[in-house]
Amino acid sequence: GAGVSQSPRYKVAKRGQDVALRCDPISGHVSLFWYQQALGQGPEFLTYFQNEAQLDKSGLPSDRFFAERPEGSVSTLKIQRTQQEDSAVYLCASSPYKGEGNTIYFGEGSWLTVV
Amino acid sequence: AQSVTQLGSHVSVSEGALVLLRCNYSSSVPPYLFWYVQYPNQGLQLLLKYTSAATLVKGINGFEAEFKKSETSFHLTKPSAHMSDAAEYFCAVRNGEGTNAGKSTFGDGTTLTVKP
Repeated sequence: GAGVSQSPRYKVAKRGQDVALRCDPISGHVSLFWYQQALGQGPEFLTYFQNEAQLDKSGLPSDRFFAERPEGSVSTLKIQRTQQEDSAVYLCASSPYKGEGNTIYFGEGSWLTVV
Repeated sequence: AQSVTQLGSHVSVSEGALVLLRCNYSSSVPPYLFWYVQYPNQGLQLLLKYTSAATLVKGINGFEAEFKKSETSFHLTKPSAHMSDAAEYFCAVRNGEGTNAGKSTFGDGTTLTVKP
């Protein structure tokens, strides 16, 4: 597709439920990022992939959070045993290369509400 | 370590007035700096970026920003506000070294309101 695509756009999960959020980056983009954006705040870095390699996962808040990109394209962010504090928008972004000055392109986000 | 401070969580201007959104950064290495705009229920869209070339950077929709190393600032301006500029604006800094090169740090955002 033309842009970064995320699904589902909206997800309501019961506390304790597992969720999986999908990201389709722009075709050919090497770098992929996940960010968490709580209401009224800026995005917070979660993790970063270069192709299939997860180079930085320092932002993942707990071991309940797991991300993968097995074939270097589509990525999935999985949250196990969701808690209310996990409610946020999860933003995926991609970039043509690792290049630091390269523009990164954001998807529209997956809105997660944990009830 | 890197950080971003956006001064003023809410800015209100009249249509046609100057827009000034403030951003100060902290970075241990020469930074890459970005401004993004976010409309309700949408992702972030890049307005402009500084990548160590010209210190005055022009972006889309008439916005520009000036990198001032001595002041560690990267303020966003637009000479004349339009109603369609009403949105949330985020300043971000990105470190260019090592495996942390992909990590961007965002400010908390500034909500711009444009009054008719």
